[in-house]
Amino acid sequence: QVQMVESGGGVVQPGTSLRLSCAASGFTFSSYTLHWVRQAPGKGLEWVAVMSPDGRLIYYADSVKGRFTISRANSENTQSLQMNSLRAEDTALYYCARQTYGNYWFFDLWGRGTLVTVSS
Amino acid sequence: DIQMTQSPSTLSASVGDRVTITCRASQSVSTWLAWYQQKPGKAPKLLIYKASSLESGVPSRFSGSGSGTEFTLTISSLQPDDSATYYCQQFSSSCTFGQGTKLEIK
Repeated sequence: QVQMVESGGGVVQPGTSLRLSCAASGFTFSSYTLHWVRQAPGKGLEWVAVMSPDGRLIYYADSVKGRFTISRANSENTQSLQMNSLRAEDTALYYCARQTYGNYWFFDLWGRGTLVTVSS
Repeated sequence: DIQMTQSPSTLSASVGDRVTITCRASQSVSTWLAWYQQKPGKAPKLLIYKASSLESGVPSRFSGSGSGTEFTLTISSLQPDDSATYYCQQFSSSCTFGQGTKLEIK
């Protein structure tokens, strides 16, 4: 079954860290670029970060640059998002999203998301 | 950053109606635009990519058009299952989404 499953979310205090994971199955993980997209409660979608299959191309949204780090382990079919110096505005459901068609950043497969709540 | 603005923000229509949602970009994105459908508690689902290409498995009542800065998503005959929030997304420069259009069935 083609799917991606996020994990690692939770409730944390401002200034602390959290590491999210995205486990993929049912497709050749090493052939696909994966992104992180987040959605604050009751709000719209915000793109967060992307890493190419070989790990050489990495981009971040300005809102997370310098605080978040994306990585992947092709041998384990997983992608991770290390989130440091968390802020209340980082509270959101974090989705892993797959880019399928060439170099175009749109997403044909999404996970169900993992919820991150940053609160004191 | 390219800003995407959708209209209307909410929409109420009856089964069988033709429904149109508009998305405007703050600068030209050519045809580098996608549309998604999101139902409560679910992940977004890709409907349309490159402005007018229908994703595999998506009903043909959904269609997209436009280029440059103005785009539309049309549902030719609204069905009860189409109740959802719809988002446009540009991928011409990085990636940004519209604020969403909530579609309700009367």
